[in-house]
Amino acid sequence: AQSVTQPDIHITVSEGASLELRCNYSYGATPYLFWYVQSPGQGLQLLLKYFSGDTLVQGIKGFEAEFKRSQSSFNLRKPSVHWSDAAEYFCAVVLISSNTGKLIFGQGTTLQVKP
Amino acid sequence: DVKVTQSSRYLVKRTGEKVFLECVQDMDHENMFWYRQDPGLGLRLIYFSYDVKMKEKGDIPEGYSVSREKKERFSLILESASTNQTSMYLCASSFVRGAQYFGPGTRLTVT
Repeated sequence: AQSVTQPDIHITVSEGASLELRCNYSYGATPYLFWYVQSPGQGLQLLLKYFSGDTLVQGIKGFEAEFKRSQSSFNLRKPSVHWSDAAEYFCAVVLISSNTGKLIFGQGTTLQVKP
Repeated sequence: DVKVTQSSRYLVKRTGEKVFLECVQDMDHENMFWYRQDPGLGLRLIYFSYDVKMKEKGDIPEGYSVSREKKERFSLILESASTNQTSMYLCASSFVRGAQYFGPGTRLTVT
């Protein structure tokens, strides 16, 4: 079935450690790809986006993501996590064929940061 | 800076009341969206609009209606609020197939 999958529901890392959050999609054509972050009780903030071109995308707050077509993946990374990064992270796609721009979300990954 | 604002951060209403949630964007986006977010269910699309006075049902439109009279403003209406509509409501806007930008959310409690 067509979907966006975030395999890790919950991840805990130590402050200062590196982070990788996984995202896989299963669509025939490469969609437009996004990562969002949501702090408790807040709206979603766009971290970064990929439409085409360079497969390594830089975002805000020191995050980056790499698009790998062969693996249908768009994993989010950060070299050194800060306590303020604790939040829920959503991967999302928009199908290129879409004429509405409807976002399809993954289930989300909750990141906990240990001091 | 991109800005999407929602009329209230917190709202408490009684069962049967008519509830209006308003969203305003200042980016001249064509598309606007209303989602609800519940623990364990993720974000679910209620309605979206791709132009003034145009709307389409999302995944869970039952019990809701919308209005878009101006490009920058998109309202979500609960005709007769029920307790199962207690939720976090999120508005977003975008260019067609572009990144969606979200408002801060409205936490609605229906008692």
